[in-house]
Amino acid sequence: GQSLEQPSEVTAVEGAIVQINCTYQTSGFYGLSWYQQHDGGAPTFLSYNALDGLEETGRFSSFLSRSDSYGYLLLQELQMKDSASYFCAGGTGGFKTIFGAGTRLFVKA
Amino acid sequence: NAGVTQTPKFQVLKTGQSMTLQCAQDMNHNSMYWYRQDPGMGLRLIYYSASEGTTDKGEVPNGYNVSRLNKREFSLRLESAAPSQTSVYFCASSGRDLREQFFGPGTRLTVL
Repeated sequence: GQSLEQPSEVTAVEGAIVQINCTYQTSGFYGLSWYQQHDGGAPTFLSYNALDGLEETGRFSSFLSRSDSYGYLLLQELQMKDSASYFCAGGTGGFKTIFGAGTRLFVKA
Repeated sequence: NAGVTQTPKFQVLKTGQSMTLQCAQDMNHNSMYWYRQDPGMGLRLIYYSASEGTTDKGEVPNGYNVSRLNKREFSLRLESAAPSQTSVYFCASSGRDLREQFFGPGTRLTVL
């Protein structure tokens, strides 16, 4: 089967660094994407890893290890506005994307 | 540019009623998607359209039909709504870079 697993909730302090993990069980995933969704809003694209290694975009970085079927999203210098849900998503080939159930991030002052 | 737009924003139906959710994008994207989002379950793909004139089933197509009216518009129809279809429905589109999908604001549907 095809599935992605993420922790349901993570809590961190403003200004800190937080890592949200994503493990997947599937054959044929060709990359890992990350999306952010604020309450009541639409998902917005954050980053994508096609190859192993780290991709950095401002305060956000994403990592992929295809041999370990594992990836993570790293958020640095946390701000209150980063409180949201974060989804990892795997491309299964063609146009189909499978999303994880999401990790709710709470940023405390 | 408006990006991806969806109508209506909210809808309440009675069991057995039908309705069509509308989606349009102005980014000249070839590919469009319909997802549903239920609490704690992330997004699940209902149908997608790789290009104008083609549609294919996703993970959870039962109870739904779609129409790719033209390059801009992709509609989702519930022929006979059921309470299990109570959900938030998102339309999305992507260009050549399939990995990045752009989502509309969503339609919050309740079936009583």
